[in-house]
Amino acid sequence: NAGVMQNPRHLVRRRGQEARLRCSPMKGHSHVYWYRQLPEEGLKFMVYLQKENIIDESGMPKERFSAEFPKEGPSILRIQQVVRGDSAAYFCASSGTSGSQGTQYFGPGTRLTVL
Amino acid sequence: GQNIDQPTEMTATEGAIVQINCTYQTSGFNGLFWYQQHAGEAPTFLSYNVLDGLEEKGRFSSFLSRSKGYSYLLLKELQMKDSASYLCAVRGNDYKLSFGAGTTVTVRA
Repeated sequence: NAGVMQNPRHLVRRRGQEARLRCSPMKGHSHVYWYRQLPEEGLKFMVYLQKENIIDESGMPKERFSAEFPKEGPSILRIQQVVRGDSAAYFCASSGTSGSQGTQYFGPGTRLTVL
Repeated sequence: GQNIDQPTEMTATEGAIVQINCTYQTSGFNGLFWYQQHAGEAPTFLSYNVLDGLEEKGRFSSFLSRSKGYSYLLLKELQMKDSASYLCAVRGNDYKLSFGAGTTVTVRA
């Protein structure tokens, strides 16, 4: 399966815990994007990364959220001290060419529930 | 800012045709995308328009008018498996996709 992989598919955390969401882009893709989808709302852009670089994190909350895409391994979206409002589906997408040209292909998402 | 509007829900009969409209107001334009999303699954890429006109791909077609800020997705010969949410997304002058809230299409037998 050469598609975008995300894990875990479902994640349950208690308030104050940390959530780590992983994304492996499609084979050959070096551009990764994270989006968040709240119930009854469209997907909202969070962050755009290339290997070892954060290109644009303008959609990410300033506090508690961070993202990385290391030279080796998957991209990680990290949410510290989760709150109930963080409950959402988090989707990762990847593209093979530069962000302004390539089609973004999505992974199956991680559904985060904060108790 | 970006503003993408599409109807919330549509219902149609198996074998029929349904047209999902999308209007947008964006700062810059570098392409319009349609994705299909079944409940609990990944959005799946359907089509891409950057120039005015109609793009046909099997049972699905997508149309774009840049001057009107308007697109539609046409689904022909509807099948039960086409019941899903259809997402309209616009790429501005950069790489970010701005999504509408999605149109839930229900296909009835």
